[in-house]
Amino acid sequence: DTEVTQTPKHLVMGMTNKKSLKCEQHMGHRAMYWYKQKAKKPPELMFVYSYEKLSINESVPSRFSPECPNSSLLNLHLHALQPEDSALYLCASSQGRLSGVGQPQHFGDGTRLSIL
Amino acid sequence: AQSVSQHNHHVILSEAASLELGCNYSYGGTVNLFWYVQYPGQHLQLLLKYFSGDPLVKGIKGFEAEFIKSKFSFNLRKPSVQWSDTAEYFCAVNAKYGNKLVFGAGTILRVKS
Repeated sequence: DTEVTQTPKHLVMGMTNKKSLKCEQHMGHRAMYWYKQKAKKPPELMFVYSYEKLSINESVPSRFSPECPNSSLLNLHLHALQPEDSALYLCASSQGRLSGVGQPQHFGDGTRLSIL
Repeated sequence: AQSVSQHNHHVILSEAASLELGCNYSYGGTVNLFWYVQYPGQHLQLLLKYFSGDPLVKGIKGFEAEFIKSKFSFNLRKPSVQWSDTAEYFCAVNAKYGNKLVFGAGTILRVKS
């Protein structure tokens, strides 16, 4: 079992809906990540939060809005998504930069998102 | 910016065969290197990592990888594969002090029993 918990596991939504993906970790990690993975492709980084502050936004469209309420939680708010946004959304966490280099990321099972 | 190239997209081996999966990266600075595995229906799991020291690193389940700096390579090896090694394998790299992880395209390994 992964130590990074993502909910829901599956989500189907219409293009006008608003929904949120949630991610939680209790490993004391201070960096959290959102990735998008299309079928038969590697994960692609979307956002990085470091010590609860957004540190990387990989030019993600504004219809995706991340939020980090505290060091254990990471949300991804979705609004007015397009069919091409259908994918597996992965959350990951790692120890913060102050813990030294080479810290691996721990991944959740992902949320499989389908846009109708 | 970093990039990662994995040489083979699909590999089929018989049990007990030896495995070597190629990975080359492109980046102008010092890097951390990782191999992740994704078993069918499961999450990405760390196999092994390199960030400094001995360039030959050992991971879980009998896997090892060798960092060859002059070749910008980090190939994954296992002397004798098992049917349970059937999975997709991703090589990944980030800058030494960065946390942007860039993945290769992945190699799907199928081990025939």
